[in-house]
Amino acid sequence: DVKVTQSSRYLVKRTGEKVFLECVQDMDHENMFWYRQDPGLGLRLIYFSYDVKMKEKGDIPEGYSVSREKKERFSLILESASTNQTSMYLCASRLAGVPDTQYFGPGTRLTVL
Amino acid sequence: KQEVTQIPAALSVPEGENLVLNCSFTDSAIYNLQWFRQDPGKGLTSLLLIQSSQREQTSGRLNASLDKSSGRSTLYIAASQPGDSATYLCAVNNFGNEKLTFGTGTRLTIIP
Repeated sequence: DVKVTQSSRYLVKRTGEKVFLECVQDMDHENMFWYRQDPGLGLRLIYFSYDVKMKEKGDIPEGYSVSREKKERFSLILESASTNQTSMYLCASRLAGVPDTQYFGPGTRLTVL
Repeated sequence: KQEVTQIPAALSVPEGENLVLNCSFTDSAIYNLQWFRQDPGKGLTSLLLIQSSQREQTSGRLNASLDKSSGRSTLYIAASQPGDSATYLCAVNNFGNEKLTFGTGTRLTIIP
């Protein structure tokens, strides 16, 4: 079974702090994704990575950056957390170029005070 | 730009009933369409994936159909159970694009 894990289920940070959200997958997938999910807005793509050190902006990249130094790990970084970044963050991975689904992690509920 | 809509946003039905969830999309040049389930506070679980060349997929009590020409998909749940209560999300993958576009979901409640 594919397993996608996220470093924290719940996280509380203060405005201005630098926040790291980690995602690890164990299936050698090329593609990894970071989404945020907010009521009424659904899932919105923040960043996408299609290989080590390769990234592409999603629909809402402002205020975020990412890092992919190893194939299995994709990190989302909030350089200076703000209250409007309070949200559920979901990581996903999938095999590139084949008709397969995305596999999601359990999510991190981030609260910025 | 692809847009995915799911109506209604919430649905309550008595246990045992059959039900249909709806999904519509604006750009018919899709590679595949997927249905996911999300339990409160959890990640998404893939239910069914329909390729653009297919009309339907079935898994147990679930049947998903796809009509590309009209930009619609339905998820049929037979003999609903309280354990089916969750939010159901539809997502489409366009050709030449590894990314998914999600609908905002239908929150389903099965009343015992």
